[in-house]
Amino acid sequence: EAQVTQNPRYLITVTGKKLTVTCSQNMNHEYMSWYRQDPGLGLRQIYYSMNVEVTDKGDVPEGYKVSRKEKRNFPLILESPSPNQTSLYFCASGNLREQYFGPGTRLTVT
Amino acid sequence: GQQVMQIPQYQHVQEGEDFTTYCNSSTTLSNIQWYKQRPGGHPVFLIQLVKSGEVKKQKRLTFQFGEAKKNSSLHITATQTTDVGTYFCAGRAGNQFYFGTGTSLTVIP
Repeated sequence: EAQVTQNPRYLITVTGKKLTVTCSQNMNHEYMSWYRQDPGLGLRQIYYSMNVEVTDKGDVPEGYKVSRKEKRNFPLILESPSPNQTSLYFCASGNLREQYFGPGTRLTVT
Repeated sequence: GQQVMQIPQYQHVQEGEDFTTYCNSSTTLSNIQWYKQRPGGHPVFLIQLVKSGEVKKQKRLTFQFGEAKKNSSLHITATQTTDVGTYFCAGRAGNQFYFGTGTSLTVIP
């Protein structure tokens, strides 16, 4: 089944404790992206990747890192999470015409 | 910076009524996409519009892309309870996507 998977689905952590949210797709897509969704703000792009080893900042990249060592995986790294990074995070893969979203990761930073 | 505004933020309609959501960008877009997100779910791709003035239909849904490629609309005819959810537009500029704030549609049976 064609899908985008994210792990974990839910995470509660404390300020400053490094964390990684994994994202994997099995559709051989070149374009992958991370978004955060906050009430009243819609989805905002954090980082995107056009292909392996090619990543670029989106609209809200501060406090996040990504890597794209393999085509199927695109992890999101928070080196020192802060409470303002509490949000619902979506990974997406696809191309510049359409994107397929993962189920989301709800992150709470206390 | 790039902004995509979407109105209205909320819309309640009686089942059978029509619904429209509007999307406006501060700059010209390469294309625009529309997504639907059901409550508790993830965004699901509906359609892409590329050409200036383009109109596409999917059953009861009609999508338009403005002549200047800076605005778009989604119109649903005769809403059904299955149409409930939040509808997002997403404009592409370069390799980045800018999502609107979404319109949450409630359909009252």
